[in-house]
Amino acid sequence: GNSVTQMEGPVTLSEEAFLTINCTYTATGYPSLFWYVQYPGEGLQLLLKATKADDKGSNKGFEATYRKETTSFHLEKGSVQVSDSAVYFCALRAEGSNYKLTFGKGTLLTVNP
Amino acid sequence: EAGVAQSPRYKIIEKRQSVAFWCNPISGHATLYWYQQILGQGPKLLIQFQNNGVVDDSQLPKDRFSAERLKGVDSTLKIQPAKLEDSAVYLCASSYLAGGPNTQYFGPGTRLTVL
Repeated sequence: GNSVTQMEGPVTLSEEAFLTINCTYTATGYPSLFWYVQYPGEGLQLLLKATKADDKGSNKGFEATYRKETTSFHLEKGSVQVSDSAVYFCALRAEGSNYKLTFGKGTLLTVNP
Repeated sequence: EAGVAQSPRYKIIEKRQSVAFWCNPISGHATLYWYQQILGQGPKLLIQFQNNGVVDDSQLPKDRFSAERLKGVDSTLKIQPAKLEDSAVYLCASSYLAGGPNTQYFGPGTRLTVL
């Protein structure tokens, strides 16, 4: 079946540090890949997405590249801010699955000033 | 554009009681999803509607959970009777269509505590 594995949290960084959150997936065919972010007290928001191999999704300084050879979609940001503190979810949408999203368990990021 | 609305935001009930959650999707969105998010886990799809028809309810515990989407707009998710393990955040999402580049937009969720 389809599954997403992302690095265990929590992750604690100082402001302006470099961020990497690892995400790997298992799926049949060619899934679309997503990163969602959940700020405290709010619903999930789409952060970025990639729909085919070697695509790079980017938004708000975050980037992730769809690597089919390593089945990965790692999230990176060069310089995090306190306002980036949130839970980050990696997700996939597989072909032939009624387009439903399969999520990882989430990674809590805390950025300290 | 107004987002996905959900109510109530919080609910505390005793086990074996009943509870209902309401969702109003973004106007014009044909597809509506209900997810269950247990603490420390990612959201899990419970049921997906396309207009007022069910597309996928394979992970819905049908002995106690039910959902409807009358007139293809608002939706209600009900749990009867509730169990302790139903404590979770229930998320509603909507998208213009089910597939292609259509993004799912999520509501703020309803946090259910079963005592």
